[in-house]
Amino acid sequence: AQSVTQPDIHITVSEGASLELRCNYSYGATPYLFWYVQSPGQGLQLLLKYFSGDTLVQGIKGFEAEFKRSQSSFNLRKPSVHWSDAAEYFCAVGAGEYGNKLVFGAGTILRVKS
Amino acid sequence: NAGVTQTPKFQVLKTGQSMTLQCAQDMNHNSMYWYRQDPGMGLRLIYYSASEGTTDKGEVPNGYNVSRLNKREFSLRLESAAPSQTSVYFCASSIWATNEKLFFGSGTQLSVL
Repeated sequence: AQSVTQPDIHITVSEGASLELRCNYSYGATPYLFWYVQSPGQGLQLLLKYFSGDTLVQGIKGFEAEFKRSQSSFNLRKPSVHWSDAAEYFCAVGAGEYGNKLVFGAGTILRVKS
Repeated sequence: NAGVTQTPKFQVLKTGQSMTLQCAQDMNHNSMYWYRQDPGMGLRLIYYSASEGTTDKGEVPNGYNVSRLNKREFSLRLESAAPSQTSVYFCASSIWATNEKLFFGSGTQLSVL
């Protein structure tokens, strides 16, 4: 069965510092991979997605993620974090016939200190 | 610019009571989903509807029923609420059921006492 592991429950970074959030997945075939962000009291918003092709994917708000098949990873990165990036981040893999039944990781809460 | 609208935003039930969570989208999307979010577990798919007239079980369907009323609306019903169903429920929609971007509502916080 598909699964997603986000090893870090909480991460704290200083404003302006770089960020990397880790995501490891388990899936038999070529995965459809997603990163979503959730601000407090809100629904989730898609940051970026990987289906195929270039393994470095650009998203909104200056985020990028790199798909590494050999490591079963899809880590999210941002070169310079802003205070407004404080939120919870979810990695997900698309399961089912059409890849639309998302399996989410448990999430990583990002805190930004000034 | 409403997107995905869920009602109610908050609800408290007693064990054994029933209720229906409502969801509507105005983006002419074909696929709709219900997820629940629990601390430390991320989101888990309860039911989804790939297109109008179809519904299918997700990862955690027990204790729930759904109705795709029309293309816009997808409701989730708890027939006999249990404390284990205390959670935050999210409705989402996508254009098609093919790896498309999900648009989420703002959630319903449900407590079952």
